[in-house]
Amino acid sequence: GNSVTQMEGPVTLSEEAFLTINCTYTATGYPSLFWYVQYPGEGLQLLLKATKADDKGSNKGFEATYRKETTSFHLEKGSVQVSDSAVYFCALSDSGYSTLTFGKGTMLLVSP
Amino acid sequence: NAGVTQTPKFQVLKTGQSMTLQCAQDMNHNSMYWYRQDPGMGLRLIYYSASEGTTDKGEVPNGYNVSRLNKREFSLRLESAAPSQTSVYFCASSEAGTGGGLTKNIQYFGAGTRLSVL
Repeated sequence: GNSVTQMEGPVTLSEEAFLTINCTYTATGYPSLFWYVQYPGEGLQLLLKATKADDKGSNKGFEATYRKETTSFHLEKGSVQVSDSAVYFCALSDSGYSTLTFGKGTMLLVSP
Repeated sequence: NAGVTQTPKFQVLKTGQSMTLQCAQDMNHNSMYWYRQDPGMGLRLIYYSASEGTTDKGEVPNGYNVSRLNKREFSLRLESAAPSQTSVYFCASSEAGTGGGLTKNIQYFGAGTRLSVL
């Protein structure tokens, strides 16, 4: 079956530090990949997506590249802000399914 | 455009009481989902509905029932609440129908219902 594995958190950084959150996946087909973000007290919202190998998704300074050879979709940001403090979820969508497979989430805490 | 609306936002129940969580979407989406979120457990799918008139079990369906009332609305019912059902519940919707669809599976979430069962 499909699965998504994320690095455990919390990830604690100072403002303007470089961020990487690792995500690897297992899928039977050729999935689409997503990063969702959940700010405190809110629901999840889509941050970025990539639909095929070597695609790069980007939004709000965050980037992730779909690496089929390493089955990975790591999230990166060059300079984090306090406002980026949130929980980040990696997810995949496989063809023929109407559900997503989520990772367990990684909490990011950014201090001034 | 409201997106996905959940009611209530907060609820406290006593063990054995029943309640229904309501969810409505205004995006004409085919699929709707109910999740629960617990510390350290991530999101777990309770039930989903890939089209009006159909529902399917997710990872943790025990103790819950659902109704897809129409294309817009999908409710979650706890018949006899237990302390183990204390959680944050999220409703979501997506354009994907029974056939799925790689990018149509993008899900849009409500703000959540925080439920405590004493």
